[in-house]
Amino acid sequence: GENVEQHPSTLSVQEGDSAVIKCTYSDSASNYFPWYKQELGKRPQLIIDIRSNVGEKKDQRIAVTLNKTAKHFSLHITETQPEDSAVYFCAAPEYGGSQGNLIFGKGTKLSVKP
Amino acid sequence: KAGVTQTPRYLIKTRGQQVTLSCSPISGHRSVSWYQQTPGQGLQFLFEYFSETQRNKGNFPGRFSGRQFSNSRSEMNVSTLELGDSALYLCASSLDGQNTEAFFGQGTRLTVV
Repeated sequence: GENVEQHPSTLSVQEGDSAVIKCTYSDSASNYFPWYKQELGKRPQLIIDIRSNVGEKKDQRIAVTLNKTAKHFSLHITETQPEDSAVYFCAAPEYGGSQGNLIFGKGTKLSVKP
Repeated sequence: KAGVTQTPRYLIKTRGQQVTLSCSPISGHRSVSWYQQTPGQGLQFLFEYFSETQRNKGNFPGRFSGRQFSNSRSEMNVSTLELGDSALYLCASSLDGQNTEAFFGQGTRLTVV
C-alpha cells in the first residue's frame, strides 16, 4: 500500500510570509495528490489537488508542485494571512487509485501570527 | 446539493459497549470511506465501500466493521469499545473513489469512558 510522510508537523510564520509543506509518497503508481485544510472543529476540505500529468498548479495564493521522479509534492502558500491558520493534510491514493481511499500524511499545524 | 451528513455528531459510550455510526454521502456518490482521526495520528483509513462492497480495509482490528446500502449510505460499527477508540470518525464520499475529490462529513465525536 501507499505510505505518505509529511513535514513539518508544525509551522509558525508571520503574516505575509510564505509557508511550504512537503510530502513524500511511496507508490510510483499514485497519480493524484490532494491537499486538505482542516480548521479547528471543522471537517477537512479540499483546497487544491494535482495530477501526475502536470508539475505545478496554482490557485491564487496557493500552489502545489509535484516531482514524480523523487516522489514528493509540496504545498506553497504565499502572503499568508491569519485565516490560513489550520491543519493541512496531504494525501495520495492507495493502489494507484484503483480503490477509493486516500492515505493521508499526519498533518501540519500552520500558525500565522499577525 | 446537500453535503455529506454524519449522525450522530457526538456519542458517549462505556467500555465494552458497541456503537453504530451513520454516513449519508452526496447524492450520486457511490464511494464512501471511513477514517479515524486522533491527535497526532492524523487521518487513519478504516475501510472503503463502493456499490455495497468493501473494496479496501485499513489496519484496524476486527471489532471495526462497516457496510453500505443500496442507496450508498454507509454505517460503521465498533464492538467491545475500548478507551483508545475515543476519536473523531470521519466519512468521505466521492463519485467513484478513483482519483476524484473526496468530500468529508462533519464527523462523529466518540468518547469511550
